[in-house]
Amino acid sequence: EPEVTQTPSHQVTQMGQEVILRCVPISNHLYFYWYRQILGQKVEFLVSFYNNEISEKSEIFDDQFSVERPDGSNFTLKIRSTKLEDSAMYFCASSVVAGGDNEQFFGPGTRLTVL
Amino acid sequence: GQQVMQIPQYQHVQEGEDFTTYCNSSTTLSNIQWYKQRPGGHPVFLIQLVKSGEVKKQKRLTFQFGEAKKNSSLHITATQTTDVGTYFCAGLALYDYKLSFGAGTTVTVRA
Repeated sequence: EPEVTQTPSHQVTQMGQEVILRCVPISNHLYFYWYRQILGQKVEFLVSFYNNEISEKSEIFDDQFSVERPDGSNFTLKIRSTKLEDSAMYFCASSVVAGGDNEQFFGPGTRLTVL
Repeated sequence: GQQVMQIPQYQHVQEGEDFTTYCNSSTTLSNIQWYKQRPGGHPVFLIQLVKSGEVKKQKRLTFQFGEAKKNSSLHITATQTTDVGTYFCAGLALYDYKLSFGAGTTVTVRA
């Protein structure tokens, strides 16, 4: 069964450093998403991406965040200068069709720890 | 902005008992989805409800969408230890493309 993959599974970084979280969505999916889940809290939408551009973003997704699809398979989330409060689990998801109109498949997540 | 509220936050259930988790949106929804997240895992899609008053069943799980499309519920009968996890509802508002997740109901089961 196809699945979304994410690397690394755990990333530890110093405050102020840049991190890049990587995701490989399911191959025939067209819509890609990043979510964040602070430990013990709810899943929060960050950004959605379609046709090589951001289609929607939340207030969390400020200028420190960027997304990119550098090639035909990878989808990345970059945090330019990490803050302590960026520590969370970051989930990538993908879907065949737009937004919440269809099942979203989540990857296993990357746990980001900012020291 | 749209807010999705979910209660209860925690549900401790005796194995074999039933329970219900409720989800309410501040705005009318286009659809609502339910996800389950096992401890240490990632959200896994369970179901999507689209029509007003819709009821769907998956074995011991019954999902309902309110007539006004602003609330939803998940009812689990005869709870088993495999039901342990956090159940999230996620709503899509009208004219929107992003899912808003509720805070989740974390279920623990006493054998």
